[in-house]
Amino acid sequence: LAKTTQPISMDSYEGQEVNITCSHNNIATNDYITWYQQFPSQGPRFIIQGYKTKVTNEVASLFIPADRKSSTLSLPRVSLSDTAVYYCLVGDMGNNDMRFGAGTRLTVKP
Amino acid sequence: KAGVTQTPRYLIKTRGQQVTLSCSPISGHRSVSWYQQTPGQGLQFLFEYFSETQRNKGNFPGRFSGRQFSNSRSEMNVSTLELGDSALYLCASSPGSGIETQYFGPGTRLLVL
Repeated sequence: LAKTTQPISMDSYEGQEVNITCSHNNIATNDYITWYQQFPSQGPRFIIQGYKTKVTNEVASLFIPADRKSSTLSLPRVSLSDTAVYYCLVGDMGNNDMRFGAGTRLTVKP
Repeated sequence: KAGVTQTPRYLIKTRGQQVTLSCSPISGHRSVSWYQQTPGQGLQFLFEYFSETQRNKGNFPGRFSGRQFSNSRSEMNVSTLELGDSALYLCASSPGSGIETQYFGPGTRLLVL
């Protein structure tokens, strides 16, 4: 299981684009990168998952460089309701032994 | 499809008691994982069940156990509760058939007095 490193916290303002970068230097060939969002007293909510290059869905984009040693979650035009903790996970998604890091606490200000 | 459901949502117990938490996965999902979340330790993996068998296990003492039924519903049991067991216990389900995305339930908030 690859160890991940994320910033502990980030601040942003409504309407801005937010990029949260996760480092995972020892990512393995079979590992996927997954991001979750968690609000207080709720379970984590799946945001996006990718293996390489760029993945986009209706809420976010995930950028993964060719060496896959890092990844960046991009949230376009954040709102106050995006204030949450964001977790980056790296692991063999065929093995459900998932290890969460400390996460990044994003605070969106008006 | 209905999401992952967990019961009860809140629970208060005293030290030394035991507790059983329940999780119903998304219909069709065969893998159920359990996590403990505390302010100090964050989200920690407890164990995963697939087809009624424990497939993965985290670093928790034997007081923490689980099981899965033939309908994929799962239960988690903690015996001889300690104050430090106070936490949000989360259950997540996934299809269990390959590249997986886990979907989490709302959790059970356990307070041990």
